[in-house]
Amino acid sequence: KAGVTQTPRYLIKTRGQQVTLSCSPISGHRSVSWYQQTPGQGLQFLFEYFSETQRNKGNFPGRFSGRQFSNSRSEMNVSTLELGDSALYLCASSFREMNTEAFFGQGTRLTVV
Amino acid sequence: GQNIDQPTEMTATEGAIVQINCTYQTSGFNGLFWYQQHAGEAPTFLSYNVLDGLEEKGRFSSFLSRSKGYSYLLLKELQMKDSASYLCAVSDYKLSFGAGTTVTVRA
Repeated sequence: KAGVTQTPRYLIKTRGQQVTLSCSPISGHRSVSWYQQTPGQGLQFLFEYFSETQRNKGNFPGRFSGRQFSNSRSEMNVSTLELGDSALYLCASSFREMNTEAFFGQGTRLTVV
Repeated sequence: GQNIDQPTEMTATEGAIVQINCTYQTSGFNGLFWYQQHAGEAPTFLSYNVLDGLEEKGRFSSFLSRSKGYSYLLLKELQMKDSASYLCAVSDYKLSFGAGTTVTVRA
């Protein structure tokens, strides 16, 4: 059974640009959550999608957005990139909404220069 | 909101036992998770406690006391490969993570 797949693994962008990250959950999982991990702040919740609907959102500015498709694949978009957006972005999938065992992808390492 | 505290670092010898404590203050609670994260890798699921008591899974055990807002992860028979960060996470409508405890296993 394939795990959670995130693409790309590494990305370098310039300030002001935008970026789209992709996450394919485990087959049959309908919940996808996104997290930002930085050395200073640890793992912080961005948002969760379940059955194509955003169910919950963390305390991040509107520059961070996402969506989920009918096949449960999810994308996260960050617009007007800032240096502080440099982080590891992790996606987690679970069968039900986020109160059950969650499996993480390998993450996308975003560097903003 | 959630406030989750765990020690920053712990060091132990191969073959020993280490206990990582986690205390939390929550506005909601649907369960407590422990994850292991090796440097540069994704967190991997270790355990999930929703009821009070001890859950044992091989060399790893996790304990929960909801009334005390307290959990611990017990790692037995430590191996070098157990050197990693261990993350405590509380679930309400999302997972809220502690900062992680870096465990270093020495020969």
